[in-house]
Amino acid sequence: QQQVKQSPQSLIVQKGGISIINCAYENTAFDYFPWYQQFPGKGPALLIAIRPDVSEKKEGRFTISFNKSAKQFSLHIMDSQPGDSATYFCAASGSSGSRLTFGEGTQLTVNP
Amino acid sequence: GAGVSQSPSNKVTEKGKDVELRCDPISGHTALYWYRQSLGQGLEFLIYFQGNSAPDKSGLPSDRFSAERTGGSVSTLTIQRTQQEDSAVYLCASSLAYGDYEQYFGPGTRLTVT
Repeated sequence: QQQVKQSPQSLIVQKGGISIINCAYENTAFDYFPWYQQFPGKGPALLIAIRPDVSEKKEGRFTISFNKSAKQFSLHIMDSQPGDSATYFCAASGSSGSRLTFGEGTQLTVNP
Repeated sequence: GAGVSQSPSNKVTEKGKDVELRCDPISGHTALYWYRQSLGQGLEFLIYFQGNSAPDKSGLPSDRFSAERTGGSVSTLTIQRTQQEDSAVYLCASSLAYGDYEQYFGPGTRLTVT
């Protein structure tokens, strides 16, 4: 019940396209859902996060959509750029100060 | 300001040796976390500190793993009698305070056990 399932495992999009990565969770106690971006040889960097009291959050080209009833959330990257090529992880946390449970990661490649 | 720093960046050790990995959290951050990232296992939680105490150490994979935090700042993760399956990137993260969800990660220490 602690798992977070992420798909797809890898994604290739053309420059200017929309990248969509999906995650699903089981534990209804989760109440914080961040997305992290990781470049090779670097630590994960917090990209955007959402709480379940809203259904969507947008920051620049990055949007999280959240469906509480379906226990799913997704990351949309609009106007994808080659510099967005990285591994993206969704995660979930159940209470303040608690561990993050991560999805398996999605390797995104944006072709020029 | 300075982010989370970790040292060493790379560590190669022989099977059976002990290793110490260090984490320096963002100044003023009271919560500190250790995670492990390995192929096939993804990112997995190891231990969480609030101040100098560890309310959640349930992710430590065996009693060969231990961690401490002193002065509410620097933390050391120690792995005794290293095994090849311990090879991974060990990541440290910190957050501002209890009640603050946002965790910021360091660059990690890549541990290779030969």
